[in-house]
Amino acid sequence: AQTVTQSQPEMSVQEAETVTLSCTYDTSENNYYLFWYKQPPSRQMILVIRQEAYKQQNATENRFSVNFQKAAKSFSLKISDSQLGDTAMYFCALRSGNTGKLIFGQGTTLQVKP
Amino acid sequence: DTAVSQTPKYLVTQMGNDKSIKCEQNLGHDTMYWYKQDSKKFLKIMFSYNNKELIINETVPNRFSPKSPDKAHLNLHINSLELGDSAVYFCASSQDLMGLYGYTFGSGTRLTVV
Repeated sequence: AQTVTQSQPEMSVQEAETVTLSCTYDTSENNYYLFWYKQPPSRQMILVIRQEAYKQQNATENRFSVNFQKAAKSFSLKISDSQLGDTAMYFCALRSGNTGKLIFGQGTTLQVKP
Repeated sequence: DTAVSQTPKYLVTQMGNDKSIKCEQNLGHDTMYWYKQDSKKFLKIMFSYNNKELIINETVPNRFSPKSPDKAHLNLHINSLELGDSAVYFCASSQDLMGLYGYTFGSGTRLTVV
C-alpha cells in the first residue's frame, strides 16, 4: 500500500529565514510523481512544486525547492527567504498507479513570524 | 474567471437532510475528483470521473452519489446526512486520467451537519 508520512505537525520560522519540511513515502512503483501543496487559511489548495521520480534533478520553483532522495523515499520541501504569506498548511502527496489518485500526508502547519 | 468553482462555499444543514454540492471547471480538463478533508485536515479521495465515466469509487457510504453530466461538471449528492459527514469537500480536476501534473482544486465546501 502506498503511504505518505509527514512527521512534523507544526513548524515555525522567522521571516527571511529558511525552513525545511519533511516527507517520507512508501510505494512499490518505480515511476511515480510527488507534489507539495499549500493550504493557506483561505482554505484554497495550491500546487507548490512537482517532482518526477525518474528525474534525478531536484525540482525548483523560485524560493521553493525539494530534496528528493529516491532510495530513502524522502521528499523534503525547502522554503528560502520565508515570507509572511508562506504561513499555511503544507501537504506532501504521492501520485501512483494509473488513475491519477493522490495520496496525501497528514500535513505540516508552518507559521512564519515577523 | 475561476478555474474550478464549487457551490456553495458553506452549507449548514440538519441530520437526515439531503444536500448537493456542485462543481464546474473551465480548464478543459478530462478528469475530476471529490476529496474529503476531515476535522484533522486529512485529505482522502472519494471519487474520480474521466470524461463522465466513474474511475475511482473509494469505500464511501452509498449515501454519497456523484454525478457527472459532462466532463466540465461533477456534482456530489448526499442523502440522509449524518453528523460524521461534517467536513470540507474539495472538487479538483486534472488534465487527464493520469494526473501527472497534479490537480487544480476548487475552494472547498464546508459542510456542517447539526
